[in-house]
Amino acid sequence: AQSVTQPDIHITVSEGASLELRCNYSYGATPYLFWYVQSPGQGLQLLLKYFSGDTLVQGIKGFEAEFKRSQSSFNLRKPSVHWSDAAEYFCAVVFTGGGNKLTFGTGTQLKVEL
Amino acid sequence: GAGVSQSPRYKVAKRGQDVALRCDPISGHVSLFWYQQALGQGPEFLTYFQNEAQLDKSGLPSDRFFAERPEGSVSTLKIQRTQQEDSAVYLCASTYERHPNTEAFFGQGTRLTVV
Repeated sequence: AQSVTQPDIHITVSEGASLELRCNYSYGATPYLFWYVQSPGQGLQLLLKYFSGDTLVQGIKGFEAEFKRSQSSFNLRKPSVHWSDAAEYFCAVVFTGGGNKLTFGTGTQLKVEL
Repeated sequence: GAGVSQSPRYKVAKRGQDVALRCDPISGHVSLFWYQQALGQGPEFLTYFQNEAQLDKSGLPSDRFFAERPEGSVSTLKIQRTQQEDSAVYLCASTYERHPNTEAFFGQGTRLTVV
């Protein structure tokens, strides 16, 4: 079955530390991959996306993600976290042939300690 | 407007009551999606429109849920005879193009509480 997994429900990092949020998907082909961020009371905002080409993609707010086909992963990274990055992060996938709907992971809640 | 607008932002309904949730997408956006986000979960797909055509309603949990987009712009999600399990945030998203890699712009959602 097609699915998206975010293994970490909560992550706490210190401000200035590096960050990596994990995302794995289950699918026989390469889907379209996205990372969204949701702050309290705000709508989901796209951080970055991948569908082909260079497997390291850059996004907004200093985030990047790397697609690894062999691991069916699309992990989100940031070299130095800021307190304003505290939010919930969702990995999402569009499975080809399944229409244009996004399938979301369960999310990772990021807490930043000052 | 500049973004996707949803109304109301909050709705409290008594069990058994009908509710209607409105989504005003970004002007010119062809595709419109509804998602349901339960507490502590990721959004789950409900239904998808391309212009006025509802192309996918596979995510609607029951026949109490109905969505429409009659003129290809504003959409309404209607829930009849609400149940407690319908309590969730309902998110609307729109995209400019039909291609699946197109960025989806989300509204702030309507938080529905059924009491």
